[in-house]
Amino acid sequence: GAGVSQSPSNKVTEKGKDVELRCDPISGHTALYWYRQSLGQGLEFLIYFQGNSAPDKSGLPSDRFSAERTGGSVSTLTIQRTQQEDSAVYLCASSLDSRGTEAFFGQGTRLTVV
Amino acid sequence: AQRVTQPEKLLSVFKGAPVELKCNYSYSGSPELFWYVQYSRQRLQLLLRHISRESIKGFTADLNKGETSFHLKKPFAQEEDSAMYYCALSGPVRGKLIFGQGTELSVKP
Repeated sequence: GAGVSQSPSNKVTEKGKDVELRCDPISGHTALYWYRQSLGQGLEFLIYFQGNSAPDKSGLPSDRFSAERTGGSVSTLTIQRTQQEDSAVYLCASSLDSRGTEAFFGQGTRLTVV
Repeated sequence: AQRVTQPEKLLSVFKGAPVELKCNYSYSGSPELFWYVQYSRQRLQLLLRHISRESIKGFTADLNKGETSFHLKKPFAQEEDSAMYYCALSGPVRGKLIFGQGTELSVKP
């Protein structure tokens, strides 16, 4: 009966290093979202996967950000050459389908770039 | 383009007072609108959605297509309502879920 699980919960990394954030969605959910939550910026949309369709990457802030979803389940968000402005809480959510259904959120990964 | 605007970053009211959290949206079509809430140290969770036309924890929200608004209302605020509230929109094409900037509601005793 697990919900959306994200790992790690906290990540401190040095500027310039690459990081990978993992999301395990609820089994059977076809839609998966990544958001960035920072003070004063609300929930910033990053990327959206829906079934086997090509992902909507329109929210990725730069080419240092990428994400993949393997086998329609687990997703990894990768940030290359991290910068201090990447520090934020990264949230993953999944939903049963693409429209109108409840999105269930993970607890987030707090990324700190020093 | 899809956009959700919550003009108030912080709303502070006294217990028992009415509360209205504003949400305006832009979308050329028929969107689905939602309110999500995040209590302190808890996950973001769905509060209500416009298609259900339900009242959850005393909160209601009416979709006004003419004013493109989906304001969240409660007649008598409680201290336990203190939280961060996010308005969200999902469009009919592929259902991308977009959130507003959020409004922090603080209910004082």
